[in-house]
Amino acid sequence: DGGITQSPKYLFRKEGQNVTLSCEQNLNHDAMYWYRQDPGQGLRLIYYSQIVNDFQKGDIAEGYSVSREKKESFPLTVTSAQKNPTAFYLCASSIRDRHLEQYFGPGTRLTVT
Amino acid sequence: KQEVTQIPAALSVPEGENLVLNCSFTDSAIYNLQWFRQDPGKGLTSLLLIQSSQREQTSGRLNASLDKSSGRSTLYIAASQPGDSATYLCAVSRSNYQLIWGAGTKLIIKP
Repeated sequence: DGGITQSPKYLFRKEGQNVTLSCEQNLNHDAMYWYRQDPGQGLRLIYYSQIVNDFQKGDIAEGYSVSREKKESFPLTVTSAQKNPTAFYLCASSIRDRHLEQYFGPGTRLTVT
Repeated sequence: KQEVTQIPAALSVPEGENLVLNCSFTDSAIYNLQWFRQDPGKGLTSLLLIQSSQREQTSGRLNASLDKSSGRSTLYIAASQPGDSATYLCAVSRSNYQLIWGAGTKLIIKP
């Protein structure tokens, strides 16, 4: 089955530690995205990548970093510089010219204490 | 700056009722509008996508309308079922690659 996987489903870290969230897709999509979802708020775009080895900042990129070394993978690192990292993180992908038709992974809930 | 609002934040109705979810946006210059469904702790599934030139889209018991001039969209669910319980989000596109999201309406259908 084609789809997007995110692992792990739940992640716990101590404050001050960097943590990397995994996102893998086998849909052969060029574009991939990372969103953050907080209670009572809409999704907010962190980073997106339209092609391998290229990515752009979204609306809330501060404290996050990404890489896109392979078409299938778009890992997100939450650094210690992110002031409020506890949230639900969603990864999505799309065909390159159809950015508005995004397919979503199941999400990772990150809790930092 | 485009803002998307969904009211109410939560809605509970008995099974079998028809219902309407609302989405409003501040800037009428949109490419399209989408409605998504999110089950608890899970990702999103696209339900309906309305292009800016369209007035409505239908899929089964779901009907979404778009009125760009008033900055409104509605999602109509006919003959609601307990399986429709989820959070429904709307999103508008402000360019060809970015979506602006509402906070969602949490819908509970009581058996």
